[in-house]
Amino acid sequence: KAGVTQTPRYLIKTRGQQVTLSCSPISGHRSVSWYQQTPGQGLQFLFEYFSETQRNKGNFPGRFSGRQFSNSRSEMNVSTLELGDSALYLCASSNAGVYNEQFFGPGTRLTVL
Amino acid sequence: AQSVTQLGSHVSVSEGALVLLRCNYSSSVPPYLFWYVQYPNQGLQLLLKYTSAATLVKGINGFEAEFKKSETSFHLTKPSAHMSDAAEYFCAVSDFTGGGNKLTFGTGTQLKVEL
Repeated sequence: KAGVTQTPRYLIKTRGQQVTLSCSPISGHRSVSWYQQTPGQGLQFLFEYFSETQRNKGNFPGRFSGRQFSNSRSEMNVSTLELGDSALYLCASSNAGVYNEQFFGPGTRLTVL
Repeated sequence: AQSVTQLGSHVSVSEGALVLLRCNYSSSVPPYLFWYVQYPNQGLQLLLKYTSAATLVKGINGFEAEFKKSETSFHLTKPSAHMSDAAEYFCAVSDFTGGGNKLTFGTGTQLKVEL
């Protein structure tokens, strides 16, 4: 079974631009979560989508948004990029079982100049 | 809300020595706990998980962890370190605050293995 895939793997943007990151979950998984990883803040939860609905949201500004499609693929969007948005963005998928086991993709490394 | 604390941001061991990475949790409900490993420029790989079935959990690559409710701990161990174990390790707890599927992570422990 193929793992979680994320595209692109690397991205360089400038301040003020917007960016869209994509995540394809493991086949059959209906839950997709997004996390931001930075050296200073560590791993922080952004949001989770399940069956095309946002089910949970972390403490991030409204510039961060996401969506999920009917095939469970998910995208996250960051508008008006700031230097502090430079991070590794990780996507994780789950079959949403009670044990909450999440499988992570390789991440997208976003650099904002 | 659930949380985890990892003691020691950096741990260094000799090859062949015992690996012990510490994790303490805080949870108002019986927790589901996880250990993940991250190699440079990669995502997180699940090492093992505790889901209340057994207090001693065996994972991949020879790692295991013991759930101790009295100590609110879930420390990760490996009897004999290998150079390939050098990576960053994260303890995580399922956090159902707000509903849905969310993991709350510790700050991570960087493991260095020396010859």
